[in-house]
Amino acid sequence: AQSVTQLDSQVPVFEEAPVELRCNYSSSVSVYLFWYVQYPNQGLQLLLKYLSGSTLVKGINGFEAEFNKSQTSFHLRKPSVHISDTAEYFCAVISSGNTPLVFGKGTRLSVIA
Amino acid sequence: ETGVTQSPTHLIKTRGQQVTLRCSSQSGHNTVSWYQQALGQGPQFIFQYYREEENGRGNFPPRFSGLQFPNYSSELNVNALELDDSALYLCASSPNWVAEAFFGQGTRLTVV
Repeated sequence: AQSVTQLDSQVPVFEEAPVELRCNYSSSVSVYLFWYVQYPNQGLQLLLKYLSGSTLVKGINGFEAEFNKSQTSFHLRKPSVHISDTAEYFCAVISSGNTPLVFGKGTRLSVIA
Repeated sequence: ETGVTQSPTHLIKTRGQQVTLRCSSQSGHNTVSWYQQALGQGPQFIFQYYREEENGRGNFPPRFSGLQFPNYSSELNVNALELDDSALYLCASSPNWVAEAFFGQGTRLTVV
């Protein structure tokens, strides 16, 4: 069964510093990859997704992610974070067809002023 | 604004009771999925409906059941509530493929 590992449960970072949130998935077959953000007491908002094509995907709020098939990774990056980026971030994968999203356990990003 | 509305936003139930959570999707969204998100965890897939038929289920017991209606609304029903059912329940809808899904704000269920 497909699984997603988010290697860091918590990431503290100073405002305006760069950040990388790591995500690895278990399967090497065709996959579709997603990053979602969840603010306190909110649902999930899609940041970006990789379905096909360019391995560098740009999303909302200045985030981007790179799909690396050989390393089965889909790490999320932002060159300069803001206080408002403080939230929980979830990596998710679909393995094929209309199978459901499989989520990682999440990474809590805390931006420090 | 995702166009997916869940109700209620919060509720408290007693162990052993039954609960119904509701989700209203955008017009044309034929697929709806429900997820359970326990505190400090990622969302876990409960089941999915496509055009009013269940077409996928996660590792949840039969006391978790659902319905999808022609007007793009859906329900999640949980019978014989247990303390471990306390979680945020998320509804996600999409016109077809789950990759286009939009999530609602969730319903926070507390079982005491």
